Amino acid sequence: AQKVTQAQTEISVVEKEDVTLDCVYETRDTTYYLFWYKQPPSGELVFLIRRNSFDEQNEISGRYSWNFQKSTSSFNFTITASQVVDSAVYFCALRPYNFGNEKLTFGTGTRLTIIP
Amino acid sequence: DTGVSQDPRHKITKRGQNVTFRCDPISEHNRLYWYRQTLGQGPEFLTYFQNEAQLEKSRLLSDRFSAERPKGSFSTLEIQRTEQGDSAMYLCASSSRRGGISYEQYFGPGTRLTVT
Repeated sequence: AQKVTQAQTEISVVEKEDVTLDCVYETRDTTYYLFWYKQPPSGELVFLIRRNSFDEQNEISGRYSWNFQKSTSSFNFTITASQVVDSAVYFCALRPYNFGNEKLTFGTGTRLTIIP
Repeated sequence: DTGVSQDPRHKITKRGQNVTFRCDPISEHNRLYWYRQTLGQGPEFLTYFQNEAQLEKSRLLSDRFSAERPKGSFSTLEIQRTEQGDSAMYLCASSSRRGGISYEQYFGPGTRLTVT
């Protein structure tokens, strides 16, 4: 069985502060994909990043960075110099790497509020 | 390049009525997924198609639910004899599969169903 835990239900920070969203996962698969999605108030899930389990390099994209640590089964997401437009619910998700198993397992999400 | 579209965006129905939702995936994507999201939760997988073939169904998809993708393009999700517990956001996603690898799923805006 696969499980994704996002222990932070809600986070509020003042604009321009850095914020880290935690994601811990459980899986018996040796290879898998991890994802982050953003769900703004409009409701549409927006894809942010996909990582393969065999690639533990951290990634940076503008103000966003992701820290993947297989040893602790964590895939954390940091927003640097937060902006009001970053306010949304963020979901971490997991799926097996093997062919034919397409189901994404999502966490319960973290609601991030950036205070101007 | 248009994204995933869903119709209708909102549906209010009385308990016991049948409802049908439509999803149009990104044009070159051969995989299509349905998820359900209730308030405060992450999306939960319902079913997915590769072209017109339905490859996996979740146990969440009771006998009252049926999904089709008759020509491998758009898909419909029908709920018969709706119950109040069916009230949720129904999300559609699509992805492409190239060289044996399935890539990230792109989501539509969702259909919000309210059963009164």
